[in-house]
Amino acid sequence: QSALTQPRSVSGSPGQSVTISCTGTSSDVGGYNYVSWYQQHPGKAPKLMIYDVSKRPSGVPDRFSGSKSGNTASLTISGLQAEDEADYYCCSYAGSYTFLYVFGTGTKVTVL
Amino acid sequence: EVQLVESGGGLVKPGGSLRLSCAASGFTFSSYSMNWVRQAPGKGLEWVSSISSSSSYIYYADSVKGRFTISRDNAKNSLYLQMNSLRAEDTAVYYCAMTTVPYNWYFDLWGRGTLVTVSS
Repeated sequence: QSALTQPRSVSGSPGQSVTISCTGTSSDVGGYNYVSWYQQHPGKAPKLMIYDVSKRPSGVPDRFSGSKSGNTASLTISGLQAEDEADYYCCSYAGSYTFLYVFGTGTKVTVL
Repeated sequence: EVQLVESGGGLVKPGGSLRLSCAASGFTFSSYSMNWVRQAPGKGLEWVSSISSSSSYIYYADSVKGRFTISRDNAKNSLYLQMNSLRAEDTAVYYCAMTTVPYNWYFDLWGRGTLVTVSS
């Protein structure tokens, strides 16, 4: 079993929207509605942005939204802001004793 | 304040051992499952191990199974990761992470991490 597949990088101008895909298999992303997304700035710990595919924790701007179709989940950032420039990782519950969670490969979001 | 603080990282030779600790505060530690997640330098996040609130259920990634042991001491509000037979590829920042809502499958509380470097 291997990491979920994300694009290496995406970019957009301030105010634009960007979407990050996260492709897994029927054993992880496609099998459970337990996909979460994390934002990580350099030298910092990851921060939860989306959980259970599309739910936002308190304090996360509504510019961040999540969805899923089949084995692919997506994170959309609308109205891109300078502070959104960071690495983003998806994560899925996988339910196996040796593969309980699987993270994505990570995507660098650049605000032009 | 609810927080997790890791300690115990450092430089160790290949084949050596190290024990990481994660001190929890601000919540009822014994009620929550806990996890270790690592990140190699310049690389992505990797789930390492999980332990249920009462230590009844323990899970390991294939990459560390048989070499790492997760444990907890609920009386001391602490989580541990005993790492043996360390390899260069175990070099990473190790994060303690958890969900503050039981029976959910995400990580909404993270420590700041502790760096483990395996090198001769």
